[in-house]
Amino acid sequence: AQSVTQPDIHITVSEGASLELRCNYSYGATPYLFWYVQSPGQGLQLLLKYFSGDTLVQGIKGFEAEFKRSQSSFNLRKPSVHWSDAAEYFCAVDGGGADGLTFGKGTHLIIQP
Amino acid sequence: DVKVTQSSRYLVKRTGEKVFLECVQDMDHENMFWYRQDPGLGLRLIYFSYDVKMKEKGDIPEGYSVSREKKERFSLILESASTNQTSMYLCASSYRGGSPLHFGNGTRLTVT
Repeated sequence: AQSVTQPDIHITVSEGASLELRCNYSYGATPYLFWYVQSPGQGLQLLLKYFSGDTLVQGIKGFEAEFKRSQSSFNLRKPSVHWSDAAEYFCAVDGGGADGLTFGKGTHLIIQP
Repeated sequence: DVKVTQSSRYLVKRTGEKVFLECVQDMDHENMFWYRQDPGLGLRLIYFSYDVKMKEKGDIPEGYSVSREKKERFSLILESASTNQTSMYLCASSYRGGSPLHFGNGTRLTVT
């Protein structure tokens, strides 16, 4: 069965600083990988996705993620965070079947002024 | 843009009541999903459907049932609500397996 681990429950970053959120997955083949963001009281919004090809993928809001097969990782990065980036971030894996995504437990991002 | 609409943002129900959570998507997606979100536990899949009248159990189906009579609508049913079903419920849809999920804004259900 596939699984996702987000090792950091909370991360605090100063506004303007760089950000990296960690994600490790477990899956037998090359999975489809996703990052979602959830603002308070809202549903989840897709930031970016990896299906195949270039291992560095660009997403919305200035985010990018890098797929590293050797480390089973798909870490999310942003060079300079803004106060509006404060939210919950979820990494997810999909094996390609009809049963949807398996999510990590999320990382809560706090932005310090 | 895909729109997934959940009929209620907030619901308060009493223990033992039958509860219906409704979800509608407007993009002719094949797959629809119900997740439950709890602090520290992330999102857990309750049920999903890959076609009209088809349904499959997810990771935590106990105490829930679903209905998909039309392609655009997927309903979650709590036959007899209990306090441990107090949670945020998220509906999602996708074009096919491997496609991104599109989420509604969620329904926060409180069972007292």
